[in-house]
Amino acid sequence: SQQGEEDPQALSIQEGENATMNCSYKTSINNLQWYRQNSGRGLVHLILIRSNEREKHSGRLRVTLDTSKKSSSLLITASRAADTASYFCATNTGANSKLTFGKGITLSVRP
Amino acid sequence: DTGVSQDPRHKITKRGQNVTFRCDPISEHNRLYWYRQTLGQGPEFLTYFQNEAQLEKSRLLSDRFSAERPKGSFSTLEIQRTEQGDSAMYLCASSSWTGNTEAFFGQGTRLTVV
Repeated sequence: SQQGEEDPQALSIQEGENATMNCSYKTSINNLQWYRQNSGRGLVHLILIRSNEREKHSGRLRVTLDTSKKSSSLLITASRAADTASYFCATNTGANSKLTFGKGITLSVRP
Repeated sequence: DTGVSQDPRHKITKRGQNVTFRCDPISEHNRLYWYRQTLGQGPEFLTYFQNEAQLEKSRLLSDRFSAERPKGSFSTLEIQRTEQGDSAMYLCASSSWTGNTEAFFGQGTRLTVV
């Protein structure tokens, strides 16, 4: 079963605009990770936020975590055409730290 | 620093044949995971190894599937008597022993059963 649910399912923006993607989950987590996947390729790790953290930054990425609402958001600032991809949130749970993914968000950045 | 490596990248097989995939994790990582991803879906957990011990298996892992990590380094995933429903991307990931860290994925093996 998939714990994470991303929102929206698809997002189309103009180059230079910001993209905000949301993720909700159901159970308590160790951490939450965001990944990018280009068509037919593997997953590229973007950023990890632990359950005791509220916000993290990495380059043009900003992720927030609200454990009381069981939700996270990923902001990509000043988007580029190369950001076009599918984005997944994944929750790390349990002693084995397995990841549970949502269905993903398809981001299209128009040049 | 080499990342997670998977081989082959693509595999086309006839229904009923056996296939085996290999994953080489990041060398210092003792945790290794297999996931399966079908079109339009996120990856789904299949199984987890800590060193050579297989500690968790998903219900998705039918008895036609077997995974090994014999020396705690590389891992193999074998599917026996493949079915068309096995067509998917098989992804391997590794992470360090602490668990509460990033998991890094390989490029995956795309399996097509015809």
